[in-house]
Amino acid sequence: SQTIHQWPATLVQPVGSPLSLECTVEGTSNPNLYWYRQAAGRGLQLLFYSVGIGQISSEVPQNLSASRPQDRQFILSSKKLLLSDSGFYLCAWSGTGVQPQHFGDGTRLSIL
Amino acid sequence: RKEVEQDPGPFNVPEGATVAFNCTYSNSASQSFFWYRQDCRKEPKLLMSVYSSGNEDGRFTAQLNRASQYISLLIRDSKLSDSATYLCVAPHYGGSQGNLIFGKGTKLSVKP
Repeated sequence: SQTIHQWPATLVQPVGSPLSLECTVEGTSNPNLYWYRQAAGRGLQLLFYSVGIGQISSEVPQNLSASRPQDRQFILSSKKLLLSDSGFYLCAWSGTGVQPQHFGDGTRLSIL
Repeated sequence: RKEVEQDPGPFNVPEGATVAFNCTYSNSASQSFFWYRQDCRKEPKLLMSVYSSGNEDGRFTAQLNRASQYISLLIRDSKLSDSATYLCVAPHYGGSQGNLIFGKGTKLSVKP
């Protein structure tokens, strides 16, 4: 069966520090991969999605970037975190086409 | 019109009650929809997929009204464990990449 792993679960970072969140999927090939952010009490905001290695689409311009160095690995990065980057970051995968997305456990990021 | 709209609630109901949530969508070409459940500070989890006029799974029934462009979720015999936020999900307009639009959710609180 397919599984998705996301880490760390919780992260506290100072303003201006770099960020790297990693997500890996097992049990499937060539998944669509997604990064979302959910601010406290708010809905899901799609940040990036990828349909293949090296293919990244950005939904919201900001100081975050994403990379997909391997088929089942998706990385969210930032060179300099802002206070507004705080939130709950979720990675998800889906099959090709309009398919349900399956989420990792999420990373709760607090910026101090 | 927003792509997916839900009543944010909260819906406060006693155990054993029947509760229904509605969700409207803007893309008349959408064929597939999903309901997710999100517990507090957790990732969203797929509850049901809706590919035709409706779907039933135990106490949960999802219905699709294409003419009026709304989806409903009916929960019968509510349990305390049903307390969560329920997210309505539709394909993104022109969503050939598999992108989904998540509603902001309807909060349900089931009381003893």
